[in-house]
Amino acid sequence: DSGVTQTPKHLITATGQRVTLRCSPRSGDLSVYWYQQSLDQGLQFLIQYYNGEERAKGNILERFSAQQFPDLHSELNLSSLELGDSALYFCASSTTGGAGGYTFGSGTRLTVV
Amino acid sequence: GEDVEQSLFLSVREGDSSVINCTYTDSSSTYLYWYKQEPGAGLQLLTYIFSNMDMKQDQRLTVLLNKKDKHLSLRIADTQTGDSAIYFCAESIRSNDYKLSFGAGTTVTVRA
Repeated sequence: DSGVTQTPKHLITATGQRVTLRCSPRSGDLSVYWYQQSLDQGLQFLIQYYNGEERAKGNILERFSAQQFPDLHSELNLSSLELGDSALYFCASSTTGGAGGYTFGSGTRLTVV
Repeated sequence: GEDVEQSLFLSVREGDSSVINCTYTDSSSTYLYWYKQEPGAGLQLLTYIFSNMDMKQDQRLTVLLNKKDKHLSLRIADTQTGDSAIYFCAESIRSNDYKLSFGAGTTVTVRA
Protein backbone atom coordinates (compact mmCIF):
# COMPACT_ATOMS: atom_id res chain seq x y z
CA ASP A 1 0.00 0.00 0.00
CA SER A 2 1.62 3.22 -1.21
CA GLY A 3 -0.56 5.47 0.95
CA VAL A 4 -2.24 7.02 -2.10
CA THR A 5 -5.79 5.75 -2.47
CA GLN A 6 -7.72 5.83 -5.70
CA THR A 7 -11.33 4.86 -6.20
CA PRO A 8 -12.90 3.19 -8.00
CA LYS A 9 -10.38 0.65 -9.28
CA HIS A 10 -12.41 -0.13 -12.37
CA LEU A 11 -15.09 1.82 -14.18
CA ILE A 12 -17.05 0.90 -17.26
CA THR A 13 -19.29 3.52 -18.78
CA ALA A 14 -20.89 4.48 -22.08
CA THR A 15 -19.83 7.16 -24.51
CA GLY A 16 -21.22 10.58 -23.70
CA GLN A 17 -21.35 9.93 -19.98
CA ARG A 18 -19.57 11.69 -17.15
CA VAL A 19 -17.50 10.06 -14.40
CA THR A 20 -15.60 11.20 -11.32
CA LEU A 21 -12.37 9.62 -10.17
CA ARG A 22 -11.25 10.15 -6.61
CA CYS A 23 -7.81 10.31 -5.03
CA SER A 24 -6.68 10.60 -1.42
CA PRO A 25 -3.02 11.62 -1.20
CA ARG A 26 -0.47 10.18 1.19
CA SER A 27 -0.74 11.70 4.65
CA GLY A 28 1.15 14.99 4.78
CA ASP A 29 1.46 15.42 1.01
CA LEU A 30 0.09 18.70 -0.29
CA SER A 31 0.55 18.14 -4.03
CA VAL A 32 -1.64 15.91 -6.14
CA TYR A 33 -0.91 15.03 -9.76
CA TRP A 34 -3.16 13.31 -12.29
CA TYR A 35 -1.81 11.20 -15.13
CA GLN A 36 -3.42 9.32 -17.99
CA GLN A 37 -1.76 6.16 -19.27
CA SER A 38 -2.89 4.67 -22.54
CA LEU A 39 -1.22 2.11 -24.76
CA ASP A 40 -0.54 4.49 -27.63
CA GLN A 41 0.37 7.64 -25.69
CA GLY A 42 2.25 6.41 -22.66
CA LEU A 43 2.14 8.35 -19.40
CA GLN A 44 0.63 11.80 -19.93
CA PHE A 45 0.60 14.46 -17.24
CA LEU A 46 -2.84 16.04 -16.91
CA ILE A 47 -2.87 18.46 -14.01
CA GLN A 48 -1.33 19.29 -10.62
CA TYR A 49 -2.89 20.77 -7.52
CA TYR A 50 -1.05 22.11 -4.51
CA ASN A 51 -2.90 22.72 -1.26
CA GLY A 52 -6.19 23.30 -3.04
CA GLU A 53 -4.93 25.43 -5.91
CA GLU A 54 -4.18 24.48 -9.49
CA ARG A 55 -0.40 24.60 -9.94
CA ALA A 56 0.29 23.21 -13.40
CA LYS A 57 -1.59 21.98 -16.42
CA GLY A 58 -0.47 19.40 -18.91
CA ASN A 59 -2.27 17.71 -21.76
CA ILE A 60 -5.69 17.93 -20.19
CA LEU A 61 -8.71 18.11 -22.47
CA GLU A 62 -11.36 20.77 -21.95
CA ARG A 63 -13.86 17.98 -21.25
CA PHE A 64 -11.78 17.07 -18.20
CA SER A 65 -11.57 19.05 -14.99
CA ALA A 66 -10.21 18.51 -11.52
CA GLN A 67 -10.20 20.01 -8.09
CA GLN A 68 -8.53 19.55 -4.73
CA PHE A 69 -10.63 19.93 -1.61
CA PRO A 70 -9.71 21.40 1.80
CA ASP A 71 -9.02 17.92 3.15
CA LEU A 72 -6.55 17.56 0.23
CA HIS A 73 -8.36 14.77 -1.58
CA SER A 74 -8.78 15.37 -5.28
CA GLU A 75 -11.33 14.49 -7.92
CA LEU A 76 -10.88 14.23 -11.66
CA ASN A 77 -14.06 14.75 -13.65
CA LEU A 78 -14.29 13.36 -17.16
CA SER A 79 -17.31 14.34 -19.23
CA SER A 80 -18.71 13.67 -22.71
CA LEU A 81 -16.67 10.51 -22.68
CA GLU A 82 -15.30 9.09 -25.90
CA LEU A 83 -13.92 5.65 -26.71
CA GLY A 84 -10.43 7.15 -26.80
CA ASP A 85 -10.69 8.18 -23.16
CA SER A 86 -10.36 4.54 -22.14
CA ALA A 87 -7.14 4.39 -20.15
CA LEU A 88 -5.57 4.00 -16.75
CA TYR A 89 -5.79 7.17 -14.70
CA PHE A 90 -3.21 7.59 -11.98
CA CYS A 91 -3.04 9.96 -9.11
CA ALA A 92 0.26 10.72 -7.42
CA SER A 93 1.16 12.87 -4.45
CA SER A 94 4.29 14.50 -3.13
CA THR A 95 5.57 16.76 -0.41
CA THR A 96 6.89 20.18 -1.32
CA GLY A 97 10.09 19.84 -3.26
CA GLY A 98 13.00 17.61 -2.43
CA ALA A 99 14.15 14.16 -3.42
CA GLY A 100 11.06 12.21 -2.55
CA GLY A 101 9.62 12.07 -6.03
CA TYR A 102 6.02 11.10 -6.38
CA THR A 103 4.03 8.34 -4.71
CA PHE A 104 1.53 6.79 -7.07
CA GLY A 105 -1.81 5.21 -6.42
CA SER A 106 -2.77 1.95 -8.06
CA GLY A 107 -4.91 3.71 -10.65
CA THR A 108 -8.46 3.66 -11.98
CA ARG A 109 -9.01 1.68 -15.14
CA LEU A 110 -11.66 3.44 -17.21
CA THR A 111 -13.32 1.61 -20.07
CA VAL A 112 -15.65 3.57 -22.31
CA VAL A 113 -17.95 1.40 -24.42
CA GLY B 1 8.19 13.18 -21.46
CA GLU B 2 9.80 14.60 -24.59
CA ASP B 3 12.86 15.66 -22.60
CA VAL B 4 13.54 12.16 -21.34
CA GLU B 5 14.16 9.32 -23.77
CA GLN B 6 14.37 5.58 -23.26
CA SER B 7 14.50 2.57 -25.49
CA LEU B 8 11.10 0.88 -25.56
CA PHE B 9 11.93 -2.80 -25.11
CA LEU B 10 14.54 -5.03 -23.48
CA SER B 11 14.61 -8.81 -23.38
CA VAL B 12 16.95 -10.53 -20.94
CA ARG B 13 17.57 -14.08 -19.81
CA GLU B 14 16.87 -15.01 -16.21
CA GLY B 15 20.03 -14.73 -14.14
CA ASP B 16 21.72 -12.26 -16.49
CA SER B 17 22.16 -8.56 -15.80
CA SER B 18 19.74 -6.04 -17.31
CA VAL B 19 20.82 -2.54 -18.26
CA ILE B 20 18.15 0.04 -18.98
CA ASN B 21 19.31 3.33 -20.47
CA CYS B 22 17.87 6.81 -20.40
CA THR B 23 18.95 10.18 -21.77
CA TYR B 24 17.72 13.54 -20.63
CA THR B 25 18.17 17.01 -22.04
CA ASP B 26 18.03 19.43 -19.14
CA SER B 27 21.48 19.86 -17.65
CA SER B 28 19.99 21.47 -14.56
CA SER B 29 18.25 18.26 -13.53
CA THR B 30 18.39 17.96 -9.80
CA TYR B 31 17.20 14.42 -9.17
CA LEU B 32 16.83 11.45 -11.47
CA TYR B 33 14.52 8.56 -10.71
CA TRP B 34 13.71 5.05 -11.72
CA TYR B 35 10.16 3.81 -11.33
CA LYS B 36 8.85 0.27 -11.89
CA GLN B 37 5.35 -0.54 -13.08
CA GLU B 38 4.17 -4.13 -12.87
CA PRO B 39 1.17 -5.22 -14.97
CA GLY B 40 -2.05 -3.64 -13.76
CA ALA B 41 -0.32 -1.69 -10.99
CA GLY B 42 0.81 1.84 -10.30
CA LEU B 43 4.33 3.18 -10.57
CA GLN B 44 6.61 2.26 -7.70
CA LEU B 45 9.70 4.32 -6.93
CA LEU B 46 12.71 2.02 -7.17
CA THR B 47 15.57 4.39 -6.56
CA TYR B 48 16.76 7.91 -7.24
CA ILE B 49 20.08 9.70 -7.54
CA PHE B 50 21.05 13.26 -6.81
CA SER B 51 22.69 14.98 -9.75
CA ASN B 52 26.02 15.48 -7.96
CA MET B 53 26.46 11.72 -7.62
CA ASP B 54 27.93 9.34 -10.20
CA MET B 55 26.67 6.08 -8.86
CA LYS B 56 24.25 4.63 -6.35
CA GLN B 57 23.92 0.99 -5.39
CA ASP B 58 20.99 -0.60 -3.62
CA GLN B 59 21.08 -4.40 -3.39
CA ARG B 60 20.65 -5.71 -6.96
CA LEU B 61 20.17 -2.22 -8.40
CA THR B 62 22.98 0.03 -9.59
CA VAL B 63 22.31 3.50 -10.97
CA LEU B 64 24.99 5.21 -13.04
CA LEU B 65 24.84 8.87 -13.95
CA ASN B 66 26.99 10.49 -16.63
CA LYS B 67 26.25 14.19 -16.35
CA LYS B 68 28.48 15.15 -19.25
CA ASP B 69 26.50 12.94 -21.64
CA LYS B 70 23.20 13.39 -19.75
CA HIS B 71 22.89 9.62 -19.56
CA LEU B 72 21.35 7.59 -16.78
CA SER B 73 21.31 3.82 -16.53
CA LEU B 74 19.79 1.22 -14.25
CA ARG B 75 21.51 -2.12 -13.90
CA ILE B 76 19.63 -5.03 -12.37
CA ALA B 77 21.90 -7.85 -11.33
CA ASP B 78 20.72 -11.49 -11.44
CA THR B 79 17.49 -10.59 -13.20
CA GLN B 80 14.47 -12.59 -12.05
CA THR B 81 11.06 -13.19 -13.61
CA GLY B 82 9.59 -10.80 -11.05
CA ASP B 83 11.65 -8.04 -12.63
CA SER B 84 9.50 -8.19 -15.76
CA ALA B 85 7.82 -4.78 -15.82
CA ILE B 86 7.90 -1.34 -17.40
CA TYR B 87 10.71 0.85 -16.07
CA PHE B 88 10.33 4.61 -16.24
CA CYS B 89 13.15 7.09 -16.02
CA ALA B 90 12.25 10.55 -14.71
CA GLU B 91 14.01 13.80 -13.95
CA SER B 92 13.11 16.69 -11.69
CA ILE B 93 14.47 20.19 -11.73
CA ARG B 94 14.55 22.52 -8.74
CA SER B 95 13.68 25.53 -10.92
CA ASN B 96 10.57 23.68 -12.12
CA ASP B 97 9.33 23.08 -8.60
CA TYR B 98 10.71 19.53 -8.70
CA LYS B 99 8.00 18.42 -11.13
CA LEU B 100 8.83 15.08 -12.67
CA SER B 101 9.25 14.56 -16.41
CA PHE B 102 8.90 10.92 -17.37
CA GLY B 103 10.29 8.94 -20.24
CA ALA B 104 8.05 6.65 -22.26
CA GLY B 105 9.11 3.58 -20.29
CA THR B 106 11.15 0.49 -21.16
CA THR B 107 9.31 -2.82 -21.16
CA VAL B 108 11.62 -5.47 -19.73
CA THR B 109 10.81 -9.09 -20.47
CA VAL B 110 12.68 -11.77 -18.57
CA ARG B 111 12.82 -15.11 -20.34
CA ALA B 112 13.66 -18.43 -18.74
